[in-house]
Amino acid sequence: AQSVTQLGSHVSVSEGALVLLRCNYSSSVPPYLFWYVQYPNQGLQLLLKYTTGATLVKGINGFEAEFKKSETSFHLTKPSAHMSDAAEYFCAVNSNDYKLSFGAGTTVTVRA
Amino acid sequence: DADVTQTPRNRITKTGKRIMLECSQTKGHDRMYWYRQDPGLGLRLIYYSFDVKDINKGEISDGYSVSRQAQAKFSLSLESAIPNQTALYFCATSDSFLSQQETQYFGPGTRLLVL
Repeated sequence: AQSVTQLGSHVSVSEGALVLLRCNYSSSVPPYLFWYVQYPNQGLQLLLKYTTGATLVKGINGFEAEFKKSETSFHLTKPSAHMSDAAEYFCAVNSNDYKLSFGAGTTVTVRA
Repeated sequence: DADVTQTPRNRITKTGKRIMLECSQTKGHDRMYWYRQDPGLGLRLIYYSFDVKDINKGEISDGYSVSRQAQAKFSLSLESAIPNQTALYFCATSDSFLSQQETQYFGPGTRLLVL
């Protein structure tokens, strides 16, 4: 079985500040991990994913995430928030049953 | 043109009505999925199909049915709609080559309101 927990349903940051979104997963086998973003009135699009190899993964729009097996975490960060980062972010895991399991999502608000 | 399209984009219906949501893709992917999104619950898988002759139930398939008419088309039906099926519905596709590593590509969603 696999599952994802996203800590914090809402995050508010100032423009230019660090964005940190937390994701913990459970999986009985080595997982494949994803972050998706959903802008208002749009579908989801991939930000980044971890498959194998380097544990620090870089994605689009300046986002990156680090896979930490010992902590079962895959937290998403961006050093400097921009107004265009306001969106809902979903962490997802796909381990041994070929289906994505999503977290509940974290809504990011960026203050000017 | 969008790679994954959904029709309609918005739908209001009444309890007990049968409705169909349609999904088409031009990405040439084998795998297609239907999810529903509810606030605070993320996305939950309703049905998925790994090829035209393969249909599988997801975690919340009760009250729904699907049809994979062709590689490019995957429809979701609500046989008798009820208010708690009010949600945002997404279709997604993925390639099968790298299996679980593959990215899923999402349509723009259908917002359904059941009165």
